[in-house]
Order: sequence, then structure tokens, then C-alpha cells
Amino acid sequence: AQSVTQLDSHVSVSEGTPVLLRCNYSSSYSPSLFWYVQHPNKGLQLLLKYTSAATLVKGINGFEAEFKKSETSFHLTKPSAHMSDAAEYFCVVSSDTGGFKTIFGAGTRLFVKA
Amino acid sequence: GAVVSQHPSRVICKSGTSVKIECRSLDFQATTMFWYRQFPKKSLMLMATSNEGSKATYEQGVEKDKFLINHASLTLSTLTVTSAHPEDSSFYICSCSRTAQSRAGTQYFGPGTRLLVL
Repeated sequence: AQSVTQLDSHVSVSEGTPVLLRCNYSSSYSPSLFWYVQHPNKGLQLLLKYTSAATLVKGINGFEAEFKKSETSFHLTKPSAHMSDAAEYFCVVSSDTGGFKTIFGAGTRLFVKA
Repeated sequence: GAVVSQHPSRVICKSGTSVKIECRSLDFQATTMFWYRQFPKKSLMLMATSNEGSKATYEQGVEKDKFLINHASLTLSTLTVTSAHPEDSSFYICSCSRTAQSRAGTQYFGPGTRLLVL
């Protein structure tokens, strides 16, 4: 069975400070992991993905995430938050063993204060 | 590249009518297309997966006669909400993948369609 848990429903940071959005997953098979961002009333944009290559994945807009199998985590980080980063972020796990399945986390709303 | 469009962006309809939503991959061929539903302040729920020329695979609990999906070509899929009711009001989002169902395949999302059934 697969599942994905985003540990924080809301995260608030000040502009210029680091961002940490936490994601833990559970999968019986080797999964791929994704982070997507959704701005209000918009579709989803891919930030980055892990597909069993390098465990530290760099994405767009300065975001990166590290796949830690021992901790079953795939946390999203950014060294310095920008006002434009305020949005909803979704961690996604995908597997095609035992039947294709894509599961979205509940989402984390990021607030950035000036 | 990898641009996905949806039409209409928002639609208001009367209860009992049917609504068709189009999803197009503009600059690539989408082997697989997905339809999601998103409730306010909630995550995305996968409704169905479709491959060009074949019947869609619906997720458990999704009524296939209620939500008709047609994947007519490698660049177009449609979702028809038949006999819509107020509880069908939601944000519907499609996504497209260049590959067949694959865990590594990236999904490119459309901007979504806001449906309001009165």
C-alpha cells in the first residue's frame, strides 16, 4: 500500500528565511516522488521529481528535496523564501508496481511574511 | 514545452444539465491523461486515467456513467459531467503524461476548470 503524509498543513516564514516543507511516504515498491506547487485558482506546476537517481534533487525556483529511504522522507527546502513562493505545495508518490498508482498528499500552505 | 490547456476555465450550469470539459496537450503528445477533482482547500483526488483510443480506468467510488471520459486523440481528452447536481460542483484538473502509465512519468497539469452547479 502507498501513502503520503505532509506533516504540516500550514507553514509561515518571513521573506529571506529558509523554507522546510515536510513529506513522509510509505510504499511497498520503489516509488517516484514529486513536489508540485499550486498558486490560487491555478493548475499544478512541477517543482522537482525523484526517480531513483541522485537522492538530492534540485528543482526550479531554488527549491530542492532530498530522498531519504531510511527515514522514508522527501522534504522540500529552499534557502531563502520569496513572496512569490506563497502557494499550496503537494508531495506526490507514484508507483507502477502492483498497479499504477499516484497519490497526493493533503498539501501544505506556505505563507511568506514581508 | 509541455503546456496543457483546459476549456472552459469556469462554467456555471443548472442542475440536470451536462457539462463537457476539454483537456488539450498543446505542444506534445499525451499517451496518458488523468482527471482529478479538487474540493476547496483539499488535495487532488484522482478520478480516472485514460490512454488514447481505449476506455478510461476509473478509481474506486467514481461513477463511470456520471463522469464520461473520452480520449479521442493524443492531444485531446474530454470529461463530461452528465446530469450535473450541486454536489458535483468542484475544481476539475486534468494532467497529461508523455509516457504510458509509469511511476517515473511526469504529469503536466492543466489550469483547471471551476464547475458550479446551481
